[in-house]
Amino acid sequence: DIQLTQSPVSLSASIGDRVIITCRASQGIRNDLGWYQHKPGKAPRRLIYAASNLQSGVPSRFAGSGSGTEFTLTISSLQPEDFATYYCLQHNSYPLTFGGGTKVDIK
Amino acid sequence: QVQLQESGPGLVKPSQTLSLTCSVSGVITRSGSYYWSWIRQPAGKGLEWIGRIYTTGDTKYSSSLKSRVTISVDPLKNQFSLTLTSVTAADTGVYYCARDDKVGFDYWGQGILVTVSS
Repeated sequence: DIQLTQSPVSLSASIGDRVIITCRASQGIRNDLGWYQHKPGKAPRRLIYAASNLQSGVPSRFAGSGSGTEFTLTISSLQPEDFATYYCLQHNSYPLTFGGGTKVDIK
Repeated sequence: QVQLQESGPGLVKPSQTLSLTCSVSGVITRSGSYYWSWIRQPAGKGLEWIGRIYTTGDTKYSSSLKSRVTISVDPLKNQFSLTLTSVTAADTGVYYCARDDKVGFDYWGQGILVTVSS
């Protein structure tokens, strides 16, 4: 199975901060990676697909980059509604796997 | 628009079988453009992919759950289902169904909390 390692596990940030979350794959997965935002009591929401493509309706402050084994999600200017847990997901090969998550909370 | 809705019992006894159904509207499960997946969040943990089914009936499962999981589809009812046998407290959590557009999950159900307890 492909393992995805996210870092950091958690971070505290202020409104307006730039936030970077990293996802490392245990083997090359081309650009077969997406990023999801998950808030308590709600369904997860896809932000990015194919490593760098912004999902329709998602604000442009979210951006994804990377390929192979190293990927990043950047939030350019953190907003109050962005406090949540973020997960990466690889769909390069079965079984599909999620990263362990990064919790973003208020400093 | 596309909607998915999970249904099933919220309480299951240990060693018994968990059965959930996902009702789909706004798109047909027979569509060859999508897979239909189950994902869960065990209590206090992160997201975990359980498995998926394609319109042909082809299935793929998580390595850790495949001995206990079956996913099936009913095109006539436009539903797909999850069965998980021999449940334990570790299976307690929120279960989601989702549409996979082959680059990830674009539509999700709201989730259903399942508790395993006697």
